Amino acid sequence: AQSVAQPEDQVNVAEGNPLTVKCTYSVSGNPYLFWYVQYPNRGLQFLLKYITGDNLVKGSYGFEAEFNKSQTSFHLKKPSALVSDSALYFCAVRTVNYQLIWGAGTKLIIKP
Amino acid sequence: EAGVAQSPRYKIIEKRQSVAFWCNPISGHATLYWYQQILGQGPKLLIQFQNNGVVDDSQLPKDRFSAERLKGVDSTLKIQPAKLEDSAVYLCASSLNGANVLTFGAGSRLTVL
Repeated sequence: AQSVAQPEDQVNVAEGNPLTVKCTYSVSGNPYLFWYVQYPNRGLQFLLKYITGDNLVKGSYGFEAEFNKSQTSFHLKKPSALVSDSALYFCAVRTVNYQLIWGAGTKLIIKP
Repeated sequence: EAGVAQSPRYKIIEKRQSVAFWCNPISGHATLYWYQQILGQGPKLLIQFQNNGVVDDSQLPKDRFSAERLKGVDSTLKIQPAKLEDSAVYLCASSLNGANVLTFGAGSRLTVL
C-alpha cells in the first residue's frame, strides 16, 4: 500500500540549533514530494517540493529537504531554528495517478 | 494574487442539522480540492474537481456529504445530516492542474454538538 510516514509526533529544538523533521514514503514509480507547514488557526502553506534533479531542494523561510531514493526519505531541515518556525509540518507525496498522500504531521516546537 | 477564500470560518451546529461551506479558488485554477482535517491528523481528501467534473470522491461519505462546482469556479460542500464525528476543519485548496502545488484556504472549523 502507498503511504507516507512521519515517525515523530513532536520535535523539540532549541532556538539557533539545527532541526530535522523526518519523512519516509512508500509509493510506486517516481514520486513528487512536498512539505507543507500549518501555523495555528491557518491553512496549510507550501514550503518546498522535489520532482527531479538535485537531491537537495531549498524552499521558503530557509528550509531545505534532502531526497534519498535508497532510503525512500525526504527529511526537512533548517540549519538554525527560529521560535517562529514552531508549527505543524506535513509531508506529502504525489503518486503516478496524481493522488496526494499525506503524512500525519509533526509538531515542531522551538524553545527560546 | 488573491488567495483561496472560504466561508464561514467557524460554524457550530447540533447533530442532525445541515451545514454548507463555500470556497472560491484562485482565479484560473482548474483543480479544486475539499479536505477534512480532524485535530491531530493529516488532511483527508473528500473530493477533487477538475473544472466542474469530479476526479476523485472515493472518500466522500455520500450518504451525508455532497459537493458541487457547477460553473467550474467556486464550490460548495454540504453536510446533511451532521454527526458528532464530522467535527473538523474543512479545507479547500486549488491548483493550476492536478500535478501542481496546492494553495489552501484558511479553513472552516465545524463543531457538531
